Amino acid sequence: EDQVTQSPEALRLQEGESSSLNCSYTVSGLRGLFWYRQDPGKGPEFLFTLYSAGEEKEKERLKATLTKKESFLHITAPKPEDSATYLCAVTQGGSEKLVFGKGTKLTVNP
Amino acid sequence: GAVVSQHPSRVICKSGTSVKIECRSLDFQATTMFWYRQFPKQSLMLMATSNEGSKATYEQGVEKDKFLINHASLTLSTLTVTSAHPEDSSFYICSARDGGQGGNTIYFGEGSWLTVV
Repeated sequence: EDQVTQSPEALRLQEGESSSLNCSYTVSGLRGLFWYRQDPGKGPEFLFTLYSAGEEKEKERLKATLTKKESFLHITAPKPEDSATYLCAVTQGGSEKLVFGKGTKLTVNP
Repeated sequence: GAVVSQHPSRVICKSGTSVKIECRSLDFQATTMFWYRQFPKQSLMLMATSNEGSKATYEQGVEKDKFLINHASLTLSTLTVTSAHPEDSSFYICSARDGGQGGNTIYFGEGSWLTVV
């Protein structure tokens, strides 16, 4: 079964319409939860790392939060340039490998 | 912020030849680097984990003799696709772990498009 599940798979928003993306995980011994943004034909761009429940980080219109079971990526007043696929990944236990979710494709219409 | 650079960004090679892709961490030392492959509209598939000064650890199903990985320094890892065939055409992406200052952030390169003709 999937260890990292992202929802929704796709999300269409109007410019300025705030929303949240979800990333739920079932791994034990979480070392870190990562959010990336990936544009078509490019490598993932690092956004945030969260390490413990209750932690929050912000960057421009994005805010990431973490609980013991899930993380949310909140997008406030999105712009068309925020359109991308947002990837969530975790590292666990003694492993350095990232376990990815399948991503949420976000489209922001002007 | 930290930057991971890949080169070349695009390469076309003839079937049967070998091609090398470089991955460099530009402003941090990366004891661990990772190589991924990504097919269109699919998620990243981990190929191997590369540790500086030691042999790479390959994921199940990845041919280590076909995808040669070298991590000779703390800032450079290379992936060589040997005897390339059209089915090796793909988007290859590297990442590097920045463990400095007690953190554990993994940065990705821009990716390299390989087309085998």
